[in-house]
Amino acid sequence: EVQLVQSGAEVKKPGESLKISCQGSGYSFTSYWIGWVRQMPGKGLEWMGISYGGDSDTRYSPSFQGQVTISADQSISTAYLQWSSLKASDTAMYYCVRTYYDILTSYSEFDYWGQGTLVTVSS
Amino acid sequence: YELTQPPSVSVSPGQTARITCSGDALPKQYANWYQQKPGQAPVLVIYKDSERPSGIPERFSGSTSGTTVTLTISGVQAGDEAAYYCQSVDSIGTYVVFGGGTKLTVL
Repeated sequence: EVQLVQSGAEVKKPGESLKISCQGSGYSFTSYWIGWVRQMPGKGLEWMGISYGGDSDTRYSPSFQGQVTISADQSISTAYLQWSSLKASDTAMYYCVRTYYDILTSYSEFDYWGQGTLVTVSS
Repeated sequence: YELTQPPSVSVSPGQTARITCSGDALPKQYANWYQQKPGQAPVLVIYKDSERPSGIPERFSGSTSGTTVTLTISGVQAGDEAAYYCQSVDSIGTYVVFGGGTKLTVL
């Protein structure tokens, strides 16, 4: 059974750093991309970017480029999303998603989702 | 690049719900649909415009015509009440985009 298990909820202050994780199991981690999707309170879904489980290839949405860092550690089947300096506007639920990604067409399909990690940034 | 969905759709139980998603690149790019119930992670219900993942009821179907893709839910049930999001990529495949979401209300 494919599972993506995310780290727990976080409460941080503006300016602090944070790294949340997503561990995949039940499939070949190195054969898929893992993506991250943001959902701000009461709002819709926003794609942030993806990282390939097999190497360091990473693609970012223009909206999030430079704002976050996405990475993956294939040795422990875990993907990460990190911030160096959080803002109050980063308060949101963050989902990791197993991504089928076609490099030639950029077709992306999110077939399995983690349970979400709620990040709250408040002074 | 944007995908446009109606904010809300309402139907009575047993009726057919149709949720549209419009975007200029949709004639060239596939679209997928996700269902999100309150407090839960989204679930893929349609991929590549009209394919249904295993475990998704046949009541869910997808179609495409020009710049519009449509999610159709036949014989709507109370348990189908949720937000539905379409998702695709821009015409040159630079980035992924989601529609704004449609809240399906079962009257």
